[in-house]
Amino acid sequence: DQQVKQNSPSLSVQEGRISILNCDYTNSMFDYFLWYKKYPAEGPTFLISISSIKDKNEDGRFTVFLNKSAKHLSLHIVPSQPGDSAVYFCAARAGTASKLTFGTGTRLQVTL
Amino acid sequence: EAGVAQSPRYKIIEKRQSVAFWCNPISGHATLYWYQQILGQGPKLLIQFQNNGVVDDSQLPKDRFSAERLKGVDSTLKIQPAKLEDSAVYLCASSFSSGATNEKLFFGSGTQLSVL
Repeated sequence: DQQVKQNSPSLSVQEGRISILNCDYTNSMFDYFLWYKKYPAEGPTFLISISSIKDKNEDGRFTVFLNKSAKHLSLHIVPSQPGDSAVYFCAARAGTASKLTFGTGTRLQVTL
Repeated sequence: EAGVAQSPRYKIIEKRQSVAFWCNPISGHATLYWYQQILGQGPKLLIQFQNNGVVDDSQLPKDRFSAERLKGVDSTLKIQPAKLEDSAVYLCASSFSSGATNEKLFFGSGTQLSVL
């Protein structure tokens, strides 16, 4: 039962353009969402998060949007840079002290 | 600040052999997690420790996997005997405490296990 889904395994975007990575979830108890970025041979690193009481959170070039009614969130990267090329994981948590459930990841390739 | 340390980085074994992974979390982090990431999938939680007690091991295949966190600091994850489907990256993560909804996990670089 895949409670967090990232339906696009890969995405290619030109440098300077916007990258939009999508994530859908099925568990209505999820109340906190995180995006992690992973380079090859490294562990995932935290990128940005959002609480279910908000619909948008911004940090520099990265913005996460949450649509609770659609159980959908997206990560926007503007402008995209070659160093953003990595695998991006969406993760969700249901309440305090609960485990993070990860999606399958989207590989972003930013081309010159 | 030193990150989460894991060793070894790579391990190749034959099926039915045993293997152990080691993790040292960030200093002061009470919570330690072991995740399994199979190629093409997202990380899956195997076990979560709060200090040296187990919080969640519901997805740990207990017939072959075991983990311990003696003294509430570093941890070892063992597989005995290994199966082909255990081939994966084993990620260790730590966090300050498990009491906050917005708690972030910090991951190590992982151990890539290949079972032949």
